[in-house]
Amino acid sequence: EVQLVESGGGSVQPGGSLRLSCIGSGFTFRNYAMSWVRQVPGKGMEWVSSISGSSGDTHYADSVEGRFTISRHDSESTLYLEMNNLRSEDSAVYYCAKDLSSTGWYFNFGDYWGQGTLVTVSS
Amino acid sequence: EVVMTQSPATLSLSPGETAALSCRASRSITTNLAWYLQKPGQAPRLLIYGASTRATGVPARFSGSGSGTEFTLTINSLQSEDFAVYYCQQYNQWPPLTFGQGTRLEIK
Repeated sequence: EVQLVESGGGSVQPGGSLRLSCIGSGFTFRNYAMSWVRQVPGKGMEWVSSISGSSGDTHYADSVEGRFTISRHDSESTLYLEMNNLRSEDSAVYYCAKDLSSTGWYFNFGDYWGQGTLVTVSS
Repeated sequence: EVVMTQSPATLSLSPGETAALSCRASRSITTNLAWYLQKPGQAPRLLIYGASTRATGVPARFSGSGSGTEFTLTINSLQSEDFAVYYCQQYNQWPPLTFGQGTRLEIK
């Protein structure tokens, strides 16, 4: 059974940092592109960042470019999102998602999602 | 950026009825479209990809259609568990991957 479990969320002041983690199980983690998607409770979804499973290519939304860094540690089946210089508008539930395709080239859409971890940025 | 627009914002129907949810792209995305269902407090669940391919385990009452800029998710014979929020997402031209704002399907 495929599972994704996020952790690392919490409350932080503006300008602060957090590192989110997502541990995958039930699939060959290194073969799949992964993404982070966020959602303000009660609102829509916003793609944040993706990383390929093969080349390690990364992509970011303009709103987080230069502040967030996505990475992966395939031997530990773990996806990370390092978030720096956090702003109030970064407050959301952050989901990690796995792509459907095992080619790992790029993330298109999520066939499995974690339960999410809440990030609150407030003074 | 490809802007995705869903309509209606809220759809009120009774169990057993058929729902038709619309998703429009600001430019052609061919058939690179996914649909998700999300229940309160839960993660999104993939329903449809490639505009019309049902994901594993998705009941046959869910069907997707369309190409280019106009897409529809049809849910036949609504069940109680189908009342939730539905999102479309394009993956034809990115970054960024973009989502519609969602359609809330509620019990009438």
